[in-house]
Amino acid sequence: ETGVTQSPTHLIKTRGQQVTLRCSSQSGHNTVSWYQQALGQGPQFIFQYYREEENGRGNFPPRFSGLQFPNYSSELNVNALELDDSALYLCASSQSGNQETQYFGPGTRLLVL
Amino acid sequence: GDSVTQMEGPVTLSEEAFLTINCTYTATGYPSLFWYVQYPGEGLQLLLKATKADDKGSNKGFEATYRKETTSFHLEKGSVQVSDSAVYFCALLYNQGGKLIFGQGTELSVKP
Repeated sequence: ETGVTQSPTHLIKTRGQQVTLRCSSQSGHNTVSWYQQALGQGPQFIFQYYREEENGRGNFPPRFSGLQFPNYSSELNVNALELDDSALYLCASSQSGNQETQYFGPGTRLLVL
Repeated sequence: GDSVTQMEGPVTLSEEAFLTINCTYTATGYPSLFWYVQYPGEGLQLLLKATKADDKGSNKGFEATYRKETTSFHLEKGSVQVSDSAVYFCALLYNQGGKLIFGQGTELSVKP
């Protein structure tokens, strides 16, 4: 059974640029959630994808968008990067009907200069 | 809105000391409650959970009891080890939507 993987591990961008982060869900899981963790803070829910559609969204602007693919992997896209977007981005996979068991990936650390 | 509040860190203990990390929550319904642990440079790992009032979650010597009357889910361990040094997050979840709501985290440092 493979765990949740994310790529890249680290990324440096400049303000105004766009970024795509990737997540491969754990084998057998069909739901992916994305979280943003600013330094010294708890993770904040961005959105969740199930069956290739957004299934719940947190308090993030539309420039945060996502995709889920038929193999349940997912992408997080952030447009028009701002300095405050610098954070650790975590994805978590789960099985629909069992949201209490979410497995987190190691995260992508994004630095916006 | 729903929220989770944890005691502020860092918490510094000597090896074999007793650990308590306080967590209280505000919720309109009856969420499930969790403790996650984050080791340096890593993602989150589920430590334990409780899904209803008076349930006790336990794992690796850690335990926490879901107290509806005090809206609390305090994490305890009888004897901490240096390897327990990490950041601990309390969280709640409503099953609909799968949105975990986290506290701000409590850093634990255990000295030999």
